[in-house]
Amino acid sequence: EVQLVESGGGLVQPGGSLRLSCAASGFTFSVYWMSWVRQAPGKGLEWVANIKEDGSEQYYVDSVKGRFTISRDNAENSLYLQMNSLRADDTAVYYCGRDLMDSWGQGTLVTVSS
Amino acid sequence: DVVMTQSPLSLPVTLGQPASISCRSSQSLVHSDGNTYLNWFQQRPGQSPRRLIYKVSNRDSGVPDRFSGSGSGTDFTLKISRVEAEDVGVYYCMQGIHWPFTFGPGTKVDIK
Repeated sequence: EVQLVESGGGLVQPGGSLRLSCAASGFTFSVYWMSWVRQAPGKGLEWVANIKEDGSEQYYVDSVKGRFTISRDNAENSLYLQMNSLRADDTAVYYCGRDLMDSWGQGTLVTVSS
Repeated sequence: DVVMTQSPLSLPVTLGQPASISCRSSQSLVHSDGNTYLNWFQQRPGQSPRRLIYKVSNRDSGVPDRFSGSGSGTDFTLKISRVEAEDVGVYYCMQGIHWPFTFGPGTKVDIK
């Protein structure tokens, strides 16, 4: 069974940083693109970033370019999202997902507020 | 960015009756590989989204056959043949061909 478990969310002040993690199990992690999608409270879904199987390519939505970095450790079956210079509009539940989101984690809440 | 629109945004339905959601994209979703990367997701209240349909019309594992997807190019439809109580939630279409991938605004399905 595919399992994705996010962690690392929390309350952070504007301008601060957080690193989200996603632990994957139940599938061969190293052969899949992986993604982060977020959902602001009461809002719809927004694709944030994705990363190729070997980590050689990453893509970001414009609103996070230069501030967020997606990475992965295939030896540890883990996906990461380093988030810097956080803003209030980054407040959301962040989901990790496999490929074109055929599997989702339970999400981790990031709140950016002073 | 490719804009995804959905209609209606709210859909009250009667149990046992059919329901239909339309999704349109601002650009063609046909890839050079011949596939059309249009997916549908369901988000039940308080839950993570889950994918129902991929590449227009393919049901994911475990998805009841009352759900079906159709369409081509820029116009797509999700149909529920007979709505059940567990189908309440928000449904999103999503394009996975043009970066950044984008979702529609969502259609909220509830019971009349």
